[in-house]
This record gives sequence, structure tokens and C-alpha cells, in this order.
Amino acid sequence: DGGITQSPKYLFRKEGQNVTLSCEQNLNHDAMYWYRQDPGQGLRLIYYSQIVNDFQKGDIAEGYSVSREKKESFPLTVTSAQKNPTAFYLCASSPAGLNTEAFFGQGTRLTVV
Amino acid sequence: QKEVEQDPGPLSVPEGAIVSLNCTYSNSAFQYFMWYRQYSRKGPELLMYTYSSGNKEDGRFTAQVDKSSKYISLFIRDSQPSDSATYLCAMRQNTGGFKTIFGAGTRLFVKA
Repeated sequence: DGGITQSPKYLFRKEGQNVTLSCEQNLNHDAMYWYRQDPGQGLRLIYYSQIVNDFQKGDIAEGYSVSREKKESFPLTVTSAQKNPTAFYLCASSPAGLNTEAFFGQGTRLTVV
Repeated sequence: QKEVEQDPGPLSVPEGAIVSLNCTYSNSAFQYFMWYRQYSRKGPELLMYTYSSGNKEDGRFTAQVDKSSKYISLFIRDSQPSDSATYLCAMRQNTGGFKTIFGAGTRLFVKA
């Protein structure tokens, strides 16, 4: 089945640690996105990538980093510079020509302990 | 003022009711209008995708866009308990990059 797989589902981070969230898609989609969702707020864009080896900052990129070395993979690293990382993180993808996020993964809930 | 405003609810209706969910927006450059359904602790699922003004129907769901009023709606006919979820509206401009603006979502409960 085609889709987007995010892992892990739950992640705990200690203060000062970097953690990496995985996002893999087998839909052959060109564009991939990372969003953060906090209670009572809309999804906020962290980074997006339209093609391999290229990505752009979203509205809240500070404290995060990404890479796009393969079309199917778009991992997100939450660095120690991100002061409030506890949130629900969502990865999405879309094919060329569709002006929206077509599919979302099931999310990773990150908690700082 | 937020670019997209959506009543958080919760909205509670009996099974079989017609549900109306709405969003208002301030940016007249928005051209693409979407509705997503999100179950608890899951990722959003794209329900409706429309371009510019008008209506679009898909089964029990109808999306309406009124660009003159900067107002979009999602109607759900014959609502079912399985429709209980949070509904997110979203919008995007025709130019200027790949940025989608999401509403905060309306929680819907359909009682059996």
C-alpha cells in the first residue's frame, strides 16, 4: 500500500539532546513537508522540499533542520536550540501540480522530559 | 488577526443531522480551498479540494466557497458517529510558493 510512514510514533527527548524524526513515502511524490501541531493552533510549517537536495524554511524553522537526499525520505532533526519542542509533528507529501498537501503521515508525538 | 479563522467548537449533533462547518479568511489572494478530517492522535486526511469559488460535492460532503465574502463551508449530510473528528480548513495562494494556511480546526461530535 502506498502512503507515508512516520516513526517513531512517540519520542521522548532529554534537555539538550538532538532527535531525528523519520518520514518515508512510497507515493513517488515530489513535494514533502513538515508541520508542527499544538493544541488550539493550526498546523504550522517548519520546512518543505519540492525536489531532492533542495528544501525551504517555513514559518517556524528555527531550532529544526532537514535533509532531502532521496525522493522518498525527508527526516526532521529537532535540535537543542528548539526551546519548546514538545508537540505533535506531521509529515506530508503531494504530487507535482496539486496545490495542497495530499497525504499526511500518522504523526510523531515528541515530549521533552 | 489570523489569516484563517475557524470556530473550535465543540459542535455536537445527533446522528442523521446536517452539519455545517465554516471558516473565514482575510487574504483575498487565496485560490485553493481544502477541508481535512483529523481523528484523534492521527494525521489529517484530505476530504475536499476546490479551486476558486463555487460548490463541490463528494458523497455526503459538499464544499462551498464564497470569495466575495471570504467564507468557506463544509456540509455533511446524514452525519454518522464515524464523522466525529476535528475538521481543518486550509487555503493556499495561486502564486508565491508552497505555503498552506490551516485553520485551528472544529471538533465535531455526532451522537448515536
